[in-house]
Amino acid sequence: KQEVTQIPAALSVPEGENLVLNCSFTDSAIYNLQWFRQDPGKGLTSLLLIQSSQREQTSGRLNASLDKSSGRSTLYIAASQPGDSATYLCAVSPRPNAGGTSYGKLTFGQGTILTVHP
Amino acid sequence: DTEVTQTPKHLVMGMTNKKSLKCEQHMGHRAMYWYKQKAKKPPELMFVYSYEKLSINESVPSRFSPECPNSSLLNLHLHALQPEDSALYLCASSQDQGGTEAFFGQGTRLTVV
Repeated sequence: KQEVTQIPAALSVPEGENLVLNCSFTDSAIYNLQWFRQDPGKGLTSLLLIQSSQREQTSGRLNASLDKSSGRSTLYIAASQPGDSATYLCAVSPRPNAGGTSYGKLTFGQGTILTVHP
Repeated sequence: DTEVTQTPKHLVMGMTNKKSLKCEQHMGHRAMYWYKQKAKKPPELMFVYSYEKLSINESVPSRFSPECPNSSLLNLHLHALQPEDSALYLCASSQDQGGTEAFFGQGTRLTVV
């Protein structure tokens, strides 16, 4: 059974700092890994998707890397801003299996609560 | 347009009520999902529809009944719910069920009284 762990559980930083969020998963047979942002009481916003064959993806101040063999991904946020304050979730999607029972199922980590203070 | 629209945003219902949650997307996605999220927990998958057919049911109680009337719409029919069913219900869609990028709606905050 896939398990996804995110470290740290919470992070508080001053504005302008560069920071790294960590995600690890136990089963390397993934199809892709996706990072999401969730504001309190709201839905999930997709930030970055990394296919299993890729090493990293970038979008603006965000950079996500993937090391499938070691079961790790990191989300790097450059020059953090108060508006970045949210919960960040990583989720992995499994490779299709013959039975199709887990196909398309995202397994989420517990999330990292990020607070960027002015 | 990468929008998934969910209605209503908030819903309060009694344990004897019947209500429905609605989800709509116009991205041409052929896979749609229902997730349940309790406070301070990650989302948990409930159902997956692929090409308008139920593909995955994560052993969800029968008081939750999904329906996919067409490729753009997904409903979740609720009846005889319990207070512990109170949660944020999230709808998502993706191009197909094969692990392509998932897009989520803003959710319906459900309170069962």
